[in-house]
Amino acid sequence: GESVGLHLPTLSVQEGDNSIINCAYSNSASDYFIWYKQESGKGPQFIIDIRSNMDKRQGQRVTVLLNKTVKHLSLQIAATQPGDSAVYFCAEHYFGNEKLTFGTGTRLTIIP
Amino acid sequence: NAGVTQTPKFRVLKTGQSMTLLCAQDMNHEYMYWYRQDPGMGLRLIHYSVGEGTTAKGEVPDGYNVSRLKKQNFLLGLESAAPSQTSVYFCASSPRGTPNYGYTFGSGTRLTVV
Repeated sequence: GESVGLHLPTLSVQEGDNSIINCAYSNSASDYFIWYKQESGKGPQFIIDIRSNMDKRQGQRVTVLLNKTVKHLSLQIAATQPGDSAVYFCAEHYFGNEKLTFGTGTRLTIIP
Repeated sequence: NAGVTQTPKFRVLKTGQSMTLLCAQDMNHEYMYWYRQDPGMGLRLIHYSVGEGTTAKGEVPDGYNVSRLKKQNFLLGLESAAPSQTSVYFCASSPRGTPNYGYTFGSGTRLTVV
């Protein structure tokens, strides 16, 4: 069946550097994607979203890029801070479905 | 504004026991969801509800039942707990099921079945 997956389960980045978290999806009908951040002991929190008719969307220190040709999604975090340490999930939605499908997550560790 | 509240936060059950997890939201959201999260497997949908009095099965519904008698509450029941149901359970709600309406998650319930 269709699935959302991540290339790397863990990522370590030096504080102040930029980080890139990747996500592959296989459902060409997906029309909406979301990135969530989950800190230890907490539920996932919305970070940023993007529609399938867009290539790029920017938020505060975060940018999401969507490449529909290769079905790839990425989350870029600029000038990482210790508070960015968390597990990051991508999720996809496709038209007519009433729920999101989540990837397995990438653990981002910020090295002081 | 509390958002989504889950109770209890932790629970240990013996195999065969039953329990109910409660999810309450105060945002007047129509949609509510129950997920389980296991290491390396991300979030898997158990059951969901698109409105008061409605429920539907998700990816992994076996061994669970749900009820949505009131709009603000979504209950997840385990009738006869099994060790395979050891997991962290998350409830979420959203205004609608269509795009642009993100989910608000609760802080989770860590369940251990021994």
